[in-house]
Amino acid sequence: EAGVAQSPRYKIIEKRQSVAFWCNPISGHATLYWYQQILGQGPKLLIQFQNNGVVDDSQLPKDRFSAERLKGVDSTLKIQPAKLEDSAVYLCASSQPSSGNTIYFGEGSWLTVV
Amino acid sequence: GNSVTQMEGPVTLSEEAFLTINCTYTATGYPSLFWYVQYPGEGLQLLLKATKADDKGSNKGFEATYRKETTSFHLEKGSVQVSDSAVYFCALAANQAGTALIFGKGTTLSVSS
Repeated sequence: EAGVAQSPRYKIIEKRQSVAFWCNPISGHATLYWYQQILGQGPKLLIQFQNNGVVDDSQLPKDRFSAERLKGVDSTLKIQPAKLEDSAVYLCASSQPSSGNTIYFGEGSWLTVV
Repeated sequence: GNSVTQMEGPVTLSEEAFLTINCTYTATGYPSLFWYVQYPGEGLQLLLKATKADDKGSNKGFEATYRKETTSFHLEKGSVQVSDSAVYFCALAANQAGTALIFGKGTTLSVSS
């Protein structure tokens, strides 16, 4: 079974530029999550989708971050404009009740803002 | 709100030493508890989980028991190997379908031969 796919793996941008990350969850997984992991900290939930609807985006900085999952499968997370403090690993994850609600993570997209 | 507190690292051990990484939680109701591991340059992997009080999760020689009375889920391994060097995250999820994980800050384990 293919895992959660993310791209790009690494990205370096200048502050005030924009960046987009893509995620393809495990096939059939209805729930998709985006987490932000700053170096030395645990992952923090940014947004959770159930199919193509948003379940929780309370910690998403909506003035600069946006995310969508238009067809209930792939998802895109965008940052515009980026700030230095956005340097982090952006983790996508997915789950499905039939898998015991275990959440499976992708390898992450590493963002450096300079 | 729900939260997870882990012992701070780094933890440095010699090969074959006994490992304990403490984890306590604050939650309403009866959450599920997890340990995830992150090897250098890799994504988070589920190590073990427990979904109700007194359950013991185990995998790859690691164990953790869900203790409701002490709100704890300490990770243990009897004999660590160099290959266990990684960052370990304790996490909880409210016991409802599709609930997001709340993570601790992570504990770095370094094992030397």
